[in-house]
Amino acid sequence: SQQGEEDPQALSIQEGENATMNCSYKTSINNLQWYRQNSGRGLVHLILIRSNEREKHSGRLRVTLDTSKKSSSLLITASRAADTASYFCATVAGETSGSRLTFGEGTQLTVNP
Amino acid sequence: KAGVTQTPRYLIKTRGQQVTLSCSPISGHRSVSWYQQTPGQGLQFLFEYFSETQRNKGNFPGRFSGRQFSNSRSEMNVSTLELGDSALYLCASSLGGLGKYEQYFGPGTRLTVT
Repeated sequence: SQQGEEDPQALSIQEGENATMNCSYKTSINNLQWYRQNSGRGLVHLILIRSNEREKHSGRLRVTLDTSKKSSSLLITASRAADTASYFCATVAGETSGSRLTFGEGTQLTVNP
Repeated sequence: KAGVTQTPRYLIKTRGQQVTLSCSPISGHRSVSWYQQTPGQGLQFLFEYFSETQRNKGNFPGRFSGRQFSNSRSEMNVSTLELGDSALYLCASSLGGLGKYEQYFGPGTRLTVT
């Protein structure tokens, strides 16, 4: 079963615009990670944010985490056509879970040139 | 460093057969996890191996099994294939550390059961 939900399920924007995707989860976590997947291929790791962190940046990506609301958001600034992909959040619950990732349902992002 | 490799990339099997998928992790990574991705169920955790021991297991029937070798390479086996086993099977490796590190995914093996 999925840990949580992502919204929107699909997002279509123009090149140069910003894209924001949200993720909610149900249990306490050790960390939360965002991944990108192009057309049914393997997942590419984007950012890992730990439960004691509130915000993290990587290039054009900004991730926030609100553990009190059990939610996270991924912001992609100045989007490009190459950003078109599915984006997934995934949580690691705690040390007893090992490296087990529990994924959300994903957001399909389409960036139109 | 070379990335995570999975073989074969594509596989077509008949219902009732068995299949073995292989995963070679990034050099130095000791944790290997397997995931099943389907349109209906999304990404589901199968199991994780760390230092040749299964550390975690998802909610899949016993037909799904795996193992890890001393060089950290891992295999997963599905016996008595069912149509519903058609999926993209993804392998991921990480340094280990009980989920503290990011995971690196292979390109996946697309299994079709007819």
